[in-house]
Amino acid sequence: GNSVTQMEGPVTLSEEAFLTINCTYTATGYPSLFWYVQYPGEGLQLLLKATKADDKGSNKGFEATYRKETTSFHLEKGSVQVSDSAVYFCALSATGNYGQNFVFGPGTRLSVLP
Amino acid sequence: DSGVTQTPKHLITATGQRVTLRCSPRSGDLSVYWYQQSLDQGLQFLIQYYNGEERAKGNILERFSAQQFPDLHSELNLSSLELGDSALYFCASSVGGSGVGEKLFFGSGTQLSVL
Repeated sequence: GNSVTQMEGPVTLSEEAFLTINCTYTATGYPSLFWYVQYPGEGLQLLLKATKADDKGSNKGFEATYRKETTSFHLEKGSVQVSDSAVYFCALSATGNYGQNFVFGPGTRLSVLP
Repeated sequence: DSGVTQTPKHLITATGQRVTLRCSPRSGDLSVYWYQQSLDQGLQFLIQYYNGEERAKGNILERFSAQQFPDLHSELNLSSLELGDSALYFCASSVGGSGVGEKLFFGSGTQLSVL
């Protein structure tokens, strides 16, 4: 079945550090890939997406490239800010056994210290 | 603001009881999804409705049921509640029902506490 694996957290960084959160997936067909972010006390928000191989999604300084050969969609940001502290979810959408389905990874909690 | 409205924000009840969670999707969205988020299980997909019909089913317990009404709002009914049902329940919506390439818009969730 479809699944998403992402690095265990929590991740703690100092402000202006480089961020990488690894994400790999297993899916039938050609999934679309997403990163969602959940700030404290809020629902998930779409951060970026990519719908085909070699596409790069980017938003708010974050970026991720759809790598079909390695089935990966790693999230990166060159210089994190305290306001980036949140939980980050890698996700895919693909045809499942019963209709379409979205599958989310377990989430990675990021804490950025001033 | 995602445009997805969930009520109530908080719900406290006792074991064995039944509750109903409500979700209004974004204007124009035809699909509604329900997710359960707990510390030990992460974000679990429960069920999807598209234009009033059940479209996909995930790890939804038999004690739980959902429906989508003609005005496209959805309700998730949880019965014979157990302590382990305590979690944050999210509703999300999307324009279509196929899912591929579509974005999900999430509500702010209903925090259910079963005592």
